[in-house]
Amino acid sequence: DGGITQSPKYLFRKEGQNVTLSCEQNLNHDAMYWYRQDPGQGLRLIYYSQIVNDFQKGDIAEGYSVSREKKESFPLTVTSAQKNPTAFYLCATNRGGRETQYFGPGTRLLVL
Amino acid sequence: GIQVEQSPPDLILQEGANSTLRCNFSDSVNNLQWFHQNPWGQLINLFYIPSGTKQNGRLSATTVATERYSLLYISSSQTTDSGVYFCAVEQTTDSWGKLQFGAGTQVVVTP
Repeated sequence: DGGITQSPKYLFRKEGQNVTLSCEQNLNHDAMYWYRQDPGQGLRLIYYSQIVNDFQKGDIAEGYSVSREKKESFPLTVTSAQKNPTAFYLCATNRGGRETQYFGPGTRLLVL
Repeated sequence: GIQVEQSPPDLILQEGANSTLRCNFSDSVNNLQWFHQNPWGQLINLFYIPSGTKQNGRLSATTVATERYSLLYISSSQTTDSGVYFCAVEQTTDSWGKLQFGAGTQVVVTP
């Protein structure tokens, strides 16, 4: 079975806590992306990575951090500096360049 | 940054009806994609269409880049077409991969 997996499906965060969302792919895609979706809105780009060991900030990177140590993995950490983290987080991949993006199933993060 | 406007924001259709969704954008683009988000949140890419016309079954799309708009046509709608349709563009002057999404069109198809 192939594709993009995100875990966990639901995540609860306490105030002041850092949490890490997982995104794994076995499509051999070079590029990976993290988006945030708030209710009734479109997706906004948090971070993206075009190649291993390299990543760039998107439009709303404050309060988030990422790493890209392996081609298959692009974890997103939501830090305590992110004051409004409750949202639906989506990971996407593609072969790079201006290619079709493919999305994982998403993680819903809720602050307690 | 580039503005992406989708219309209408909401659409209610009876099964079997046809519809047209519109995406306007404020600057030149070299990448435009249409996505469908199902009620469980999964996004599926429908079309990669920076210009021209494409068809896939009951769906088709047309992008007129010089006039800065794209249209998504749904024919003979089915209940499984329900969900949110997003248009996303990449500005010509931006680095590749940075898609800007519209707010979406919420479609409900009733039996």
